[in-house]
Amino acid sequence: QSVLTQPPSVSGAPGQSISISCTGSSSNIGAGYDVHWYQQLPGTAPKLLIYGNNKRPSGVPDRFSAFKSGTSASLDITGLQAEDEADYYCQSFDSSLTVYVVFGGGTKLTVL
Amino acid sequence: QVQLVQSGAEVKKPGSSVKVSCKASGGTFSSYAISWVRQAPGQGLEWVGGIIPIYGSAKYAQKFQGRVTITTDESTSAAYMELSSLRFEDTAVYYCARATGASFDWLSHWGQGTLVTVSS
Repeated sequence: QSVLTQPPSVSGAPGQSISISCTGSSSNIGAGYDVHWYQQLPGTAPKLLIYGNNKRPSGVPDRFSAFKSGTSASLDITGLQAEDEADYYCQSFDSSLTVYVVFGGGTKLTVL
Repeated sequence: QVQLVQSGAEVKKPGSSVKVSCKASGGTFSSYAISWVRQAPGQGLEWVGGIIPIYGSAKYAQKFQGRVTITTDESTSAAYMELSSLRFEDTAVYYCARATGASFDWLSHWGQGTLVTVSS
């Protein structure tokens, strides 16, 4: 069971918008630690998509955006494209000292 | 351009150990935190531990304490993860990943992954 909770799957048609939630607790997201998001295409290593809650690395389209509030965060994708079909993971830091870096369980995005 | 190149796939027997390497190129090796993240077949990402070379000491997820050792060799810009007392459930792809600073923050660069299979 992952420390951060994500929905197992979401889907949307091309051109539509979707949102993926990431829920944590007072020892990670709620403690003020930043949330980061990764995209993992089948058979490849994860790729940084969003860092510092809402910042996009160079080369990431502005169709991808993210937001953090309280103990939760969300990743929004607008204008869905077929190539967006992938697994998405949120990540944060945890102060519990049992684990320093925590991930969500991942969300499989299907573009219909 | 930062690149992380990992060692090849391994097949190990239960109870044995495995050591995976991660060689970095581009950037100043000692200034950035390196994390090891694993992904079991069909499962999500799990942080195993990490090290900040400039500080030296490694941090481990409690789940792996006592079984994992993460080290670096600054002379070759390489990081290593050794996992001992292997169990069937340790079968996974192990990734090394580099942060953008000397803290366990976002992971901007990832290795290609090393498949470790534990099989009798």
